[in-house]
Amino acid sequence: NAGVTQTPKFQVLKTGQSMTLQCAQDMNHEYMSWYRQDPGMGLRLIHYSVGAGITDQGEVPNGYNVSRSTTEDFPLRLLSAAPSQTSVYFCATWIWQGRDYGYTFGSGTRLTVV
Amino acid sequence: AQSVTQPDIHITVSEGASLELRCNYSYGATPYLFWYVQSPGQGLQLLLKYFSGDTLVQGIKGFEAEFKRSQSSFNLRKPSVHWSDAAEYFCAVGPRSNDYKLSFGAGTTVTVRA
Repeated sequence: NAGVTQTPKFQVLKTGQSMTLQCAQDMNHEYMSWYRQDPGMGLRLIHYSVGAGITDQGEVPNGYNVSRSTTEDFPLRLLSAAPSQTSVYFCATWIWQGRDYGYTFGSGTRLTVV
Repeated sequence: AQSVTQPDIHITVSEGASLELRCNYSYGATPYLFWYVQSPGQGLQLLLKYFSGDTLVQGIKGFEAEFKRSQSSFNLRKPSVHWSDAAEYFCAVGPRSNDYKLSFGAGTTVTVRA
């Protein structure tokens, strides 16, 4: 049981390039989310999904796209990278079953846009 | 709108001394509450959570937190800090429903000196 796996761990992009951050989970959780972490700002929700085929915007969605074709995978796409997207990105799943509730986070992707 | 405040950006504590991290929230009802820890370069690990019942909650690594409804607080404590406790700590709150959109505080960085 690997939990939540994110790839790559580190990435450097040039302004205007595109890329996809991968997130995969093996816990069969319906809910998945992408957060970005910036110094002094905690974690902010980018996009989330309540199940395969269903996605919605979070607090800071601009410049990012997501899709959810399977329960296991929830990739985050940067269409045209900007320096303001330099951040650490976390994928997480959410469980709510009785006393078993909360987020499970991946180990993060540190992205630098130059 | 819900919000989470961690008043202390950075705390320095001596090894073996006690530690208390503050968390205050603004919410329309009693939320569920979490504390996460993030070691340098790592993802977020759940320390403890509160949903109902005893307002003093025990977590992993010797941490505990106390929910005080009258003060809208959920402070984290540890009686004796170890060097390995040096990390960033995040408080998070969410509604008492299957709503996965937590609000995170900005975090408190803990430095442990020998």
